[in-house]
Amino acid sequence: EDKVVQSPLSLVVHEGDTVTLNCSYEVTNFRSLLWYKQEKKAPTFLFMLTSSGIEKKSGRLSSILDKKELFSILNITATQTGDSAVYLCAVENFGNEKLTFGTGTRLTIIP
Amino acid sequence: NAGVTQTPKFQVLKTGQSMTLQCAQDMNHEYMSWYRQDPGMGLRLIHYSVGAGITDQGEVPNGYNVSRSTTEDFPLRLLSAAPSQTSVYFCASSLTGMVRYEQYFGPGTRLTVT
Repeated sequence: EDKVVQSPLSLVVHEGDTVTLNCSYEVTNFRSLLWYKQEKKAPTFLFMLTSSGIEKKSGRLSSILDKKELFSILNITATQTGDSAVYLCAVENFGNEKLTFGTGTRLTIIP
Repeated sequence: NAGVTQTPKFQVLKTGQSMTLQCAQDMNHEYMSWYRQDPGMGLRLIHYSVGAGITDQGEVPNGYNVSRSTTEDFPLRLLSAAPSQTSVYFCASSLTGMVRYEQYFGPGTRLTVT
């Protein structure tokens, strides 16, 4: 059974700090790892990482994938209050047509 | 382009009642899925469909039925509601079944079963 574990469960930092969110996974046939941001309602897509693209960056957010050690990190630099959200990690099993999600990390940015 | 829409936004049911959560998308996406989100449990896949006429079970299918008669609609039916089905339900869609990075989520339905 595929499994995704995220840490920490919650994190409170001050505006301007840099944060690192962790995601470790076990999947029988890895295809991709995805990061989502969930504010009050539906998750919105941030990044997808595959074996052919192990680092992604978008503005202050960046993510890397370590396929050997089976984990990914999401970095957010110069955090802003708008970054407050739950960040979800999910893995895709090749040919399985299913995503397995972690429980998420709740990030709170204090002004 | 409305994206993924879900109705209702909120629903309260009594144990044993049945109901249908509606999901529709106007992006001509082949792949649609239903998740439930509970505190401390993350998103768990209930059922999914890779195209009209094709559905399959996810991680937690018991107590739920789905059908996919059209590309646009993917309703989720609760056959006999139980308090354990109290949750937030999200419908999602993506262009194809194999690459889900473009998965779009609906706004969710908060269901309470008393």
